Amino acid sequence: KAGVTQTPRYLIKTRGQQVTLSCSPISGHRSVSWYQQTPGQGLQFLFEYFSETQRNKGNFPGRFSGRQFSNSRSEMNVSTLELGDSALYLCASSFRDTIGSEQYFGPGTRLTVT
Amino acid sequence: AQTVTQSQPEMSVQEAETVTLSCTYDTSESDYYLFWYKQPPSRQMILVIRQEAYKQQNATENRFSVNFQKAAKSFSLKISDSQLGDAAMYFCALGQGGSEKLVFGKGTKLTVNP
Repeated sequence: KAGVTQTPRYLIKTRGQQVTLSCSPISGHRSVSWYQQTPGQGLQFLFEYFSETQRNKGNFPGRFSGRQFSNSRSEMNVSTLELGDSALYLCASSFRDTIGSEQYFGPGTRLTVT
Repeated sequence: AQTVTQSQPEMSVQEAETVTLSCTYDTSESDYYLFWYKQPPSRQMILVIRQEAYKQQNATENRFSVNFQKAAKSFSLKISDSQLGDAAMYFCALGQGGSEKLVFGKGTKLTVNP
């Protein structure tokens, strides 16, 4: 099976712009989660989607939003970019078996805001 | 609130030796899971090992094993016969049943010396 893919891998934007990141989960996985990784704050949970519904949301401002499509692919959007939004954005897809779940991460999108 | 603490920002080990990475956590949930993830430099996050809280037996995956002390809320990772390819950031993560949200520690950077 192909792994989690994220596009684009690298992105440079200027303050005030908006950006959309895409994530394609592993085939058969219906849950997609997003994380922001920065040197200062580490890995922080953004949101989780399952069957096109947001099930959980982290403590981020409303500028951060996401959605999931019927094929489980997910996008996240950041509007009015700030310098502090520069980070590695990781997507993870997961499945649940009888004993729990496992998350598989994509390579990430490196966003630089100038 | 769930928290994960990794008290060792950096560790080093000689090739073929054994190293233990520490992790403590806090949660009020009874249904939770613990994970160790490995993130090599500029490469994607890989799941190393998973432990269900209801299981008393410590999880093992080849050279990787955990010491899960539920009462002490401790979850350490032991790497035996360390290899150069084990060099990476290691993250301890806590998830709760019914949700894909993971709470991560700040990570431990492991260096393997030849």
